[in-house]
Amino acid sequence: GDSVTQMEGPVTLSEEAFLTINCTYTATGYPSLFWYVQYPGEGLQLLLKATKADDKGSNKGFEATYRKETTSFHLEKGSVQVSDSAVYFCALPIIPNTGNQFYFGTGTSLTVIP
Amino acid sequence: SQTIHQWPATLVQPVGSPLSLECTVEGTSNPNLYWYRQAAGRGLQLLFYSVGIGQISSEVPQNLSASRPQDRQFILSSKKLLLSDSGFYLCAWSVSWGQARTDTQYFGPGTRLTVL
Repeated sequence: GDSVTQMEGPVTLSEEAFLTINCTYTATGYPSLFWYVQYPGEGLQLLLKATKADDKGSNKGFEATYRKETTSFHLEKGSVQVSDSAVYFCALPIIPNTGNQFYFGTGTSLTVIP
Repeated sequence: SQTIHQWPATLVQPVGSPLSLECTVEGTSNPNLYWYRQAAGRGLQLLFYSVGIGQISSEVPQNLSASRPQDRQFILSSKKLLLSDSGFYLCAWSVSWGQARTDTQYFGPGTRLTVL
């Protein structure tokens, strides 16, 4: 069945370091792919999305490219800040284009130290 | 613009006590609604989703139940809490199929439940 596999954490980086959080997916067809972020004590916020192969989603300096050939949607940021400390979730909808039921990855906790 | 509210923000309850968590959405009509639980150090588990008033689908067997008495109101309940019910409960909404096809879910701020 459809699912996402996300890199396990926790990840600790120094400020201005390069970030990669890996996410691979298994799906029939070509669903939209998402990254959500959860700051401490808060709910999840949509960080970025890509709706088709080779699309690049970007927001707040984060980027992720929908790669069909490697079934991946890795999250990257060139220079992290302390304020990026959060838990990051990769997700895909179980049934594309319905807004219904998502598979969420287990989450990757990122801590950025000054 | 659309907003989603959850309350209470935090709750400490004894084992065996009842539970009622409320979620409301503003600025949209006929949304799909969802309840998730996030246990400490773990990912999100979908508990219930609803595509309309009175329509509830359950994803996992448990002592929790959900109800949707109004279009934009979603309630999570339990008659008797267990220790294992502790966690962070998140409500979410998405545009329904009939309005526009979109995959994005929007989350509320969450309720931290501790069962002692």
